[in-house]
Amino acid sequence: DTGVSQDPRHKITKRGQNVTFRCDPISEHNRLYWYRQTLGQGPEFLTYFQNEAQLEKSRLLSDRFSAERPKGSFSTLEIQRTEQGDSAMYLCASSLRDTGPPGAQETQYFGPGTRLLVL
Amino acid sequence: AQSVTQLGSHVSVSEGALVLLRCNYSSSVPPYLFWYVQYPNQGLQLLLKYTSAATLVKGINGFEAEFKKSETSFHLTKPSAHMSDAAEYFCAVSGGFKTIFGAGTRLFVKA
Repeated sequence: DTGVSQDPRHKITKRGQNVTFRCDPISEHNRLYWYRQTLGQGPEFLTYFQNEAQLEKSRLLSDRFSAERPKGSFSTLEIQRTEQGDSAMYLCASSLRDTGPPGAQETQYFGPGTRLLVL
Repeated sequence: AQSVTQLGSHVSVSEGALVLLRCNYSSSVPPYLFWYVQYPNQGLQLLLKYTSAATLVKGINGFEAEFKKSETSFHLTKPSAHMSDAAEYFCAVSGGFKTIFGAGTRLFVKA
């Protein structure tokens, strides 16, 4: 099975440290999304890539957050100077879409997530 | 702008009973609607999606949902609950560049 994978699955860090998460989408998928999910809430959109281009960023994504998808395949999400409020599950999803706006009809396939705890 | 409201953060049913999870949406454009399920420590899995082809949508694991434009609703049902249905369920709406998720409803199934 070549579904979406994320690494690491869990990360515990101290406040002020930098962390980086990786997402490997389904191989033929050209769109990749990052979401953040806090306890008792649904996923919140963070950012979106079509191939290697980052086309949309949520206002939730502060300057401490940066995401890349350098070759249009895997993506990384880095959080600098982590804060306790960054503690959450970070979910990655991928989809295949040729035309039209993202998320409109396509099915997004989610990875298992990376759970971050900032102490 | 789009939004989703899931009525009831927790729903408890007996095994074999009807499952009804409620979702109301708001959208300024014709919406695409989704139901996802999330098991503990896992990502989200698509149950079904509405894309205007038919108002009654059948999904996996015996779930279905009916799109009612007049009520702006997209409730999820299953005739007979199984223990394995215990999970968190998310309704979502998309009509633009991103998908908006509801807060989720946790389904408990009693033996």
